[in-house]
Amino acid sequence: QSVLTQPPSVSGAPGQRVTISCTGSSSNIGAGYDVHWYQQLPGTVPKLLIYGNNNRPSGVPDRFSGSMSGTSASLAITGLQVEDEADYYCQSYDSSLSGSVVFGGGTKLTVL
Amino acid sequence: QVQLVQSGAEVKKPGASVKVSCKTSGYIFTSYGVSWVRQAPGQGLEWMGWISPYNGNRNYAQKLQGRVTMTTDTSTATAYMELGSLRSDDTAVYYCARSAIFAPVNWFDPWGQGTLVTVSS
Repeated sequence: QSVLTQPPSVSGAPGQRVTISCTGSSSNIGAGYDVHWYQQLPGTVPKLLIYGNNNRPSGVPDRFSGSMSGTSASLAITGLQVEDEADYYCQSYDSSLSGSVVFGGGTKLTVL
Repeated sequence: QVQLVQSGAEVKKPGASVKVSCKTSGYIFTSYGVSWVRQAPGQGLEWMGWISPYNGNRNYAQKLQGRVTMTTDTSTATAYMELGSLRSDDTAVYYCARSAIFAPVNWFDPWGQGTLVTVSS
């Protein structure tokens, strides 16, 4: 059971927009700790996609964006492409567990 | 460029210990922390802990307290993660990743290539 809750799967057709939610609580996202997102393509190392809630590292297309609201965060992907098919994870910090990093359980994105 | 290169795959018996290394390059080792994350087959990411090469501070996941030890060697810019009393459910790919210097509050980037640890009798 992950401290951050993500839907197990989402899907969309090429060109569409999808969102992936990440729901936390008052001890992590709701406490103001930043949320970061990672993309893990099949068989590869996780790659930083969004840092500090809504910032993209160099090289990440602007089709990817992050947002926050209360105790939740969301990752939006517009103009869906076949190569976006991957697992996506959110990450934050939780002050209730002696200071601990927490991940969401991951969301499998399928591009139909 | 910034790189984290991990040691090779390991096969261990239940009850044994494993030590994984993470050699860094391309940045000042003592200016960033190192976190360790593992991923069991077909499962999600699990944070194991963090260490600051700057002052030696550590923060371990509660679940692994007493079994995990993280160290660094500043002379070689290498971080180490040792996990003891191995069980079959410790079978996973273990990653090191660069993170914040004073607490593991920030993002992880970049990541090492991963080290597969298999625990089997």
